[in-house]
Parts: sequence; structure tokens; C-alpha cells
Amino acid sequence: NAGVTQTPKFRVLKTGQSMTLLCAQDMNHEYMYWYRQDPGMGLRLIHYSVGEGTTAKGEVPDGYNVSRLKKQNFLLGLESAAPSQTSVYFCASRRPQETGELFFGEGSRLTVL
Amino acid sequence: GQNIDQPTEMTATEGAIVQINCTYQTSGFNGLFWYQQHAGEAPTFLSYNVLDGLEEKGRFSSFLSRSKGYSYLLLKELQMKDSASYLCAVRDSNYQLIWGAGTKLIIKP
Repeated sequence: NAGVTQTPKFRVLKTGQSMTLLCAQDMNHEYMYWYRQDPGMGLRLIHYSVGEGTTAKGEVPDGYNVSRLKKQNFLLGLESAAPSQTSVYFCASRRPQETGELFFGEGSRLTVL
Repeated sequence: GQNIDQPTEMTATEGAIVQINCTYQTSGFNGLFWYQQHAGEAPTFLSYNVLDGLEEKGRFSSFLSRSKGYSYLLLKELQMKDSASYLCAVRDSNYQLIWGAGTKLIIKP
């Protein structure tokens, strides 16, 4: 059972380039999330989805877009990368139950030069 | 504003007990979570508290006082593998998680 898988694990971009991070989960979870983690700060929610075909903005959505065309996949896009988007990105998923623990992917380390 | 406070770093000795505190101010409360994150890895779930009191799970226990906006994670019989960051997160009235910056726990032999 793979759980939550993120690709790529590492990427270096130049300012202005675009890229897409892919998150795939095989646990049939309804809810999926994209977070970024920066030194000295808590995880910050970028976008999330409560089901196939739905997306919503989180705390720091600017500069990012997402799509959830299939239940198991949640894509995070950067249309024009900026150095401020250098970060570690985590995808997570969960069932909608009350306790709702999050299952995280291994993370994607993105550097924008 | 919403705020989660935890100590930045703590040091403890192998075999000892350590308590990691978390205080929070959020718009509403729908549960508090603790996650463990080893360096370079993903966070993994440790505990969930929604009612006041102590929840025990093996060597780890988590306590919650909603009236005080306070929680702690208690780790007993510390092992070297417990060296990690411990993240406190509160689910607010919109059912969104607000995360603390994490406490880096260093275990010394």
C-alpha cells in the first residue's frame, strides 16, 4: 500500500518557469490538501479539495493553482515561479470523519532561483 | 488572529521523560492534534484530543485543557529515535488546521 505519493521529490526552477506537482493517494480518501513548510513556520495550507471536481483556497493560495479531476489525484501548479515559492511542499489526504488524521506524502523540495 | 505557540527546541536525555507544551488561541475549537516529523520526512499522526483530559498511547500521552487553551505531549522512556520535531495543530471553527511551528526535540545519550 503506497499511501500518498508525491512527484517529483526535488526540483530546481528558474524564476518565471512553470511546473506541476502531482499527488496520488490510494486510500480512497475524499479530502486532499497541499501545504508548504518553511523554516520557523507552521505548515500553511495552499489549497484543498473535499471531493473529485472541487477545490478551495487555503491560507496562502496566491501564485498557485490546483485541480482534482480524479479522486485519487490532486495537482498543484505554479504558473510563474518566484523565489518566494522556494519551500517544501506536502500533500496530505484524509477521510471526512471527526478524528480525521492526515496522511502525508514524503514532500517535494522546490528551489526557485 | 489565530496563534499556536510551542517551544522552538528542547533537549532531553535518553530514558528520561519530556513534556512539550502547546498553547493556542483560535477562532473556535474542534480538536487538537500532535504529529511527529523526523528531519527530511513527512509528519506522522501521534494523537488527537477533543475533550479535556489525558489520552495515553504507549510511551506517548497527550493532555488537553480547553478552558486554558493548553495541551502537552508527554514522552516517557525516551529513545534516540524520538529525536524529531513535534507539531501541534488545532482545528478551528471552519474545520481547518492551524499549525504551530513545531518543537525540535534533541535526545542525548
